[in-house]
Parts: sequence; C-alpha cells; structure tokens
Amino acid sequence: QKEVEQDPGPLSVPEGAIVSLNCTYSNSAFQYFMWYRQYSRKGPELLMYTYSSGNKEDGRFTAQVDKSSKYISLFIRDSQPSDSATYLCAARDNNAGNMLTFGGGTRLMVKP
Amino acid sequence: SAVISQKPSRDICQRGTSLTIQCQVDSQVTMMFWYRQQPGQSLTLIATANQGSEATYESGFVIDKFPISRPNLTFSTLTVSNMSPEDSSIYLCSVSPPGTNAFFGQGTRLTVV
Repeated sequence: QKEVEQDPGPLSVPEGAIVSLNCTYSNSAFQYFMWYRQYSRKGPELLMYTYSSGNKEDGRFTAQVDKSSKYISLFIRDSQPSDSATYLCAARDNNAGNMLTFGGGTRLMVKP
Repeated sequence: SAVISQKPSRDICQRGTSLTIQCQVDSQVTMMFWYRQQPGQSLTLIATANQGSEATYESGFVIDKFPISRPNLTFSTLTVSNMSPEDSSIYLCSVSPPGTNAFFGQGTRLTVV
C-alpha cells in the first residue's frame, strides 16, 4: 500500500463547477500537507499547504485536512479552463527530514 | 521561496550514452532532492543530495546509474548513465528550505531512442 493514495482521474467538469480532489494517507506521523499543481510539460508548483487538521482558504481554493480519518481534500470553486492540470497531494513528516511523499496525481479537465 | 533553474529542459539521447542535468538554486540550501516522473505517473524520489557528503539513494536507484554531485550549497547535478529507453522520463530537482515548502525546477524531459 502506498503511503499517500490519490485517484488518478481524469476528472472532467464543466466550467464554473466545484471540484473536489482527495487523497488518503496511512502514515500517522505526517504533519504537513501540500497540494501541487502541474501543468503539462512543467514542474509542480505549490498551490496550498496546511499544517495538521483544519481548513485553509486562498481565493477559489480550499485545502482541508482531517487527521482522524487521514483524509486530505482540495476544493476549487468556480473552476476555470485554466485550472486544467494534474493536482498532486503531498505529505511530510517534519521529524523525518524534508522529504515529501506524493500521491499519484489527479488529472483535472475543466471544459468551457 | 526559492527559484530553481534546471537545464537542459529537454533532450533526446541515444541509448548507451549519458546525460548530466544541472540544478541551480538562488539561495543556499542544505538538501536537494532529485525526482523522476515517468509518463502519467507521480514523482518518485531518486536521491537526496547533501553538500559535502555522498547522496542517499532510495530503493531501486543506485549511484552507478544515477551519480550525483553537490559541490556547494546552491548547485547539484544528476547524471543518467548508460541510458536505455526505460529511462525516458521527466527528471526534477527540488529544494525544501527549513520552515518552507518544497520548490521544484521546471524539469528535464528526457527521451532515449
């Protein structure tokens, strides 16, 4: 079993829809959770991060962590065609160095 | 934050040859990470490179195949040696300065023919 699991998609939604992207993880030591967006032929770029449980909002994006169920979510409101990309969740145990453990990525397509 | 310059951005190489990928960071960092991303897959950590010591390789990756240099705190290279078509992938360097998140270079898209 991978430490971070993510549905690969693809997920296709119409423009303006609310998108929910999810990951589960198995390592209880993970404390820091991140979402990266990767456009085709580009490196991943950090979108949002959260520490421990709770929600964090940034514009149209909301990151949510539920440590009791080991569940990570990213919500995108009013989705745009420019949001079409692969979204990678990642987790880190700060007591085990700075190495990230990535999910497999979910490919999102927002259709105009 | 950290800005990472990675080159080449892409290359097409003959099997049996080697390619060295360079990664330059705009600030000093202790650890640099090298990842591989095969087509349609997520990122797999190849090795962690600390300045002044040998790189630490993950399971399935060996120094003879992926030698790494780390001559100073802002620079690292990864060499893909004796390439085969199975090495066709995107290679990414990353840094994670203390107290911040991980940042990535733009990646090197390698095609081995």
